[in-house]
Amino acid sequence: AQTVTQSQPEMSVQEAETVTLSCTYDTSESNYYLFWYKQPPSRQMILVIRQEAYKQQNATENRFSVNFQKAAKSFSLKISDSQLGDTAMYFCAFMKLMRGSNYKLTFGKGTLLTVNP
Amino acid sequence: EAQVTQNPRYLITVTGKKLTVTCSQNMNHEYMSWYRQDPGLGLRQIYYSMNVEVTDKGDVPEGYKVSRKEKRNFPLILESPSPNQTSLYFCASRPNRDWVHEQYFGPGTRLTVT
Repeated sequence: AQTVTQSQPEMSVQEAETVTLSCTYDTSESNYYLFWYKQPPSRQMILVIRQEAYKQQNATENRFSVNFQKAAKSFSLKISDSQLGDTAMYFCAFMKLMRGSNYKLTFGKGTLLTVNP
Repeated sequence: EAQVTQNPRYLITVTGKKLTVTCSQNMNHEYMSWYRQDPGLGLRQIYYSMNVEVTDKGDVPEGYKVSRKEKRNFPLILESPSPNQTSLYFCASRPNRDWVHEQYFGPGTRLTVT
């Protein structure tokens, strides 16, 4: 079974600074996807960024980027130029890719990020 | 607008009173799933459905039932709710194709069982 570990229950950062959230996972699969989801106080689950395991290039979405280390099974999220609206719970998630399988997302326990003015 | 809807958004009920949380998607997705979110535990899958009339247990199915009679709807049924089912529930959907990897989440249902 896959497991996802987020070792930082809470983090804080000053506005405009950079912060990195860590995530490690354990799997025997070779094809899979990794995701970071954001959950603001509204509780909506918002996809921030995704990474395909077969791609070596790290994904980037505007101020959000990942450091994907497949051999180390590490998938950290870097937020640059932090904004007050980035305050949220962030979840790392894993999904294996197999035809006909359950496309279950396995989530970490989350990291609560607070951006301070 | 493509979306997943859930009703109700908030529900307070008493132990043992049967309830149903509805989930509907308008994207013609084959795959639908229910998760519950609890503090310190992240989201855990309750049940999933690969298509109409095809459902299976996730990681925490005890105390729940589901049905998939139509492609767009995937209700979550609690026959006899208990306080340990107090949680935030999310429905999600996606197409049943390998190259489509994003799941679309509903807005969540906050359930309190007293």
